[in-house]
Amino acid sequence: EIVLTQSPDFQSSTPKETVTISCRASQSIGSSLHWFQQKPGQSPKLLIKYVSQSMSGVPSRFSGGGSGTDFTLTINGLEEDDAATYYCQYSTADTPAFGGGTKVEIK
Amino acid sequence: EVRLVQSGAEVKKPGESVRISCQASGGTFTNYWVAWVRQVPGRGLEWMGRIDPTDFYTRYSPAFRGHVSISIDNTNNIAYLQWSSLRASDTATYFCTREYGGNPPALWGQGTQVTVAS
Repeated sequence: EIVLTQSPDFQSSTPKETVTISCRASQSIGSSLHWFQQKPGQSPKLLIKYVSQSMSGVPSRFSGGGSGTDFTLTINGLEEDDAATYYCQYSTADTPAFGGGTKVEIK
Repeated sequence: EVRLVQSGAEVKKPGESVRISCQASGGTFTNYWVAWVRQVPGRGLEWMGRIDPTDFYTRYSPAFRGHVSISIDNTNNIAYLQWSSLRASDTATYFCTREYGGNPPALWGQGTQVTVAS
């Protein structure tokens, strides 16, 4: 069973800063790594699929990268609207897994 | 445009049973699997299990196998998650999602809050 470990758990940054969230898999997962954004009281929203493919309508300041076991979500030029918890996810026809989440706060 | 519409909040006592639902509004579950995800208050997302509407095959995460049951009514495009004996630790919000073949879930229901307290 794949385990995803995210870091940091919490990130407090000012607007316009660049924020990087890490997601490490317990073993190589190829490119089956995706990123979700969840705001309080809402359902998770798929931001980026297969490491780096942005979903329609997602601002260009969000980007994903990595391979194998180490992946990142980068927010270039943080905005107030980006306050949320971000989750990485490994998708598979077997048993998918989510990372523990990273809460991003805007100072 | 397809939406996943979930049933309303439930308040139950330990040991009671409950079934929550997820309906595909404006579409069907055809060609997709339906999965359920748990979110305990203040905590992360946990994949619970899924069902294939084509053959009713179910797969569960080891953490939930034997404690919950997933089913589907293809005639009415409704998927269900049920418990026969709730525990206080089942208190959480439950989301249904549509997924297929290892692809990430792009469509989510609005969530159903289940509270279990004596």
